[in-house]
Parts: sequence; structure tokens; C-alpha cells
Amino acid sequence: NAGVTQTPKFQVLKTGQSMTLQCAQDMNHEYMSWYRQDPGMGLRLIHYSVGAGITDQGEVPNGYNVSRSTTEDFPLRLLSAAPSQTSVYFCASSTRNRNQPQHFGDGTRLSIL
Amino acid sequence: GQQVMQIPQYQHVQEGEDFTTYCNSSTTLSNIQWYKQRPGGHPVFLIQLVKSGEVKKQKRLTFQFGEAKKNSSLHITATQTTDVGTYFCAGASGSKLTFGTGTRLQVTL
Repeated sequence: NAGVTQTPKFQVLKTGQSMTLQCAQDMNHEYMSWYRQDPGMGLRLIHYSVGAGITDQGEVPNGYNVSRSTTEDFPLRLLSAAPSQTSVYFCASSTRNRNQPQHFGDGTRLSIL
Repeated sequence: GQQVMQIPQYQHVQEGEDFTTYCNSSTTLSNIQWYKQRPGGHPVFLIQLVKSGEVKKQKRLTFQFGEAKKNSSLHITATQTTDVGTYFCAGASGSKLTFGTGTRLQVTL
């Protein structure tokens, strides 16, 4: 099994550009989420989904959109990139719900110039 | 809201020394999880503790969950260079999972 797959691994954007970070899991997990990791701040939850068709906001949702049309895929969209969104983004999945052990993807390292 | 504090932020040890990181929550937890992130890598789940006072071991790693279910610790005996990385705790309360800020461990020969 591939587990949680994120693409791309690296990306450089200019301020104001938009893009979509892809996340796919092949474990049939119901719960999926997006985190951003910044130095000294741990992992902060951006958006999450408890199943296909259901999404909700986490701690730091501003500037990001998500959708969950299938169980497998959970893309994260940056609407108009800002330098403050420079970060490492991790997608994670788990069975049942958010407070169960999380399986993380390899991450996307995003720089906004 | 729920806060999870982790100390120390950074620890540098000589290979063979012991290491401990501590995790404290502002609220009572239903479970606590520990993750390890190697430099340049992603967090990898290590263990989950559920019961008050629970102690679990994985080879040289010992995990404890406090009696009040508000704190936890990870102790590594006789560190090795392969232990290098950042160790995160994550506290579950209700439907929320809150990650600590992590403890970065550096091990030198």
C-alpha cells in the first residue's frame, strides 16, 4: 500500500498565484486532514473531513479551501498565495475520527515569493 | 481552547545518555499519542496511551501517561544517533487532537 500520497513535494509560487496541493490515501480511511508546520509552532490544523462530502475548518483555515468528493482524495487549494503561507504542508488520514493515530504523507514544501 | 505544551524545545545529548521529553495538557485527555519526525521527514506515529497511569515500552523508549490524564512523558534510554529527530505529543480531547510544539533531539558521538 502507498498509504498517504502528496503531490507535489516542492513548489515555489509568486504572491497572488493559486494552486492545489493533492492528497490521496488508499487505506479507505474516513478521516482526512491538512496541517501546516512552521518552525517552533508544531502542527496546526487547516481543514479536515470526516467523510466524502463533509469538510470543516480547523485552527488556521483562512486562505485555504478544501473539498472531499471521494473517500480517497482531499485536495487543498490556496486561493491567492501570500508569503505568510510559506510552510510545509502535511496531509494525514485516520480511521473513524480525528483523535485516532494519524498517518501522514511526505509533505509539500511550499515557498511563496 | 485546549493547549498542549511540550518541554524542552531542544535537547542535545551525547550518544549513550538518556533523554526525556514532557507533555502537559490544559485539559483532561482521552488519549495521548506520540510521533517522531526525522529531519526532512514526516511525523510517524509511535504509540497511543489511553489509560490513567499507563506505561508502555518500545525497546529503549518508555512512554507514560499521568494519573490525571493531563500529562505524559517519553524517555529514551541510552540514546543512539538513529534517535535524532523531533518528538511530538498529541493530546486527544473530545473530537480534537492537538499537537505539542515538539522536542528536537540532537545526538552526537
